[in-house]
Amino acid sequence: ETGVTQSPTHLIKTRGQQVTLRCSSQSGHNTVSWYQQALGQGPQFIFQYYREEENGRGNFPPRFSGLQFPNYSSELNVNALELDDSALYLCASSFSLSLGAETQYFGPGTRLLVL
Amino acid sequence: KQEVTQIPAALSVPEGENLVLNCSFTDSAIYNLQWFRQDPGKGLTSLLLIQSSQREQTSGRLNASLDKSSGRSTLYIAASQPGDSATYLCAVRAPGWGGSQGNLIFGKGTKLSVKP
Repeated sequence: ETGVTQSPTHLIKTRGQQVTLRCSSQSGHNTVSWYQQALGQGPQFIFQYYREEENGRGNFPPRFSGLQFPNYSSELNVNALELDDSALYLCASSFSLSLGAETQYFGPGTRLLVL
Repeated sequence: KQEVTQIPAALSVPEGENLVLNCSFTDSAIYNLQWFRQDPGKGLTSLLLIQSSQREQTSGRLNASLDKSSGRSTLYIAASQPGDSATYLCAVRAPGWGGSQGNLIFGKGTKLSVKP
């Protein structure tokens, strides 16, 4: 167990709806990254938050947005859901002091199905 | 742009066999390389992390090697067991922090099945 938790574990939505996924970081961690893993693929980087600011973003449209709270928990929001958004969403937390060297710890993921 | 490839995509072996999983990456400028295990529908479990200055890491029956200059890593599993059945993912740590490629760039994984 890494100490990183995600909720909900599973979610079913219909096309066009909006969804919010939540991540609780491991105690003491100040950085969170979100990844999307489609079936049969490796995880793809969505974005990263460090001290409540977006620090980097992968090749995902603006309808994917996020927040990091003062307690370093995080949300991933997806608007106008599309069928291709069906995937396992993983969050990973880490403690960043010397930028670029920290180890990320992954949560169990949220399985999203868009119908 | 860094790309990570894993071969084979799937592998089936009898219990007790030693096996090697392969990972290659296109840009040798990495901080480290990490091997993960993923059980069906689950999150990622880190197995081994090799820093860019290291050649190999070992944990129990697992040994991972890194050849940065050739852009290759291997994960060696000794005396395989049915409980080793899972998907094994290789990920490299990109230079910088955050940015457009993020911290970890993953391959698609090798799905391993160990038959009793």
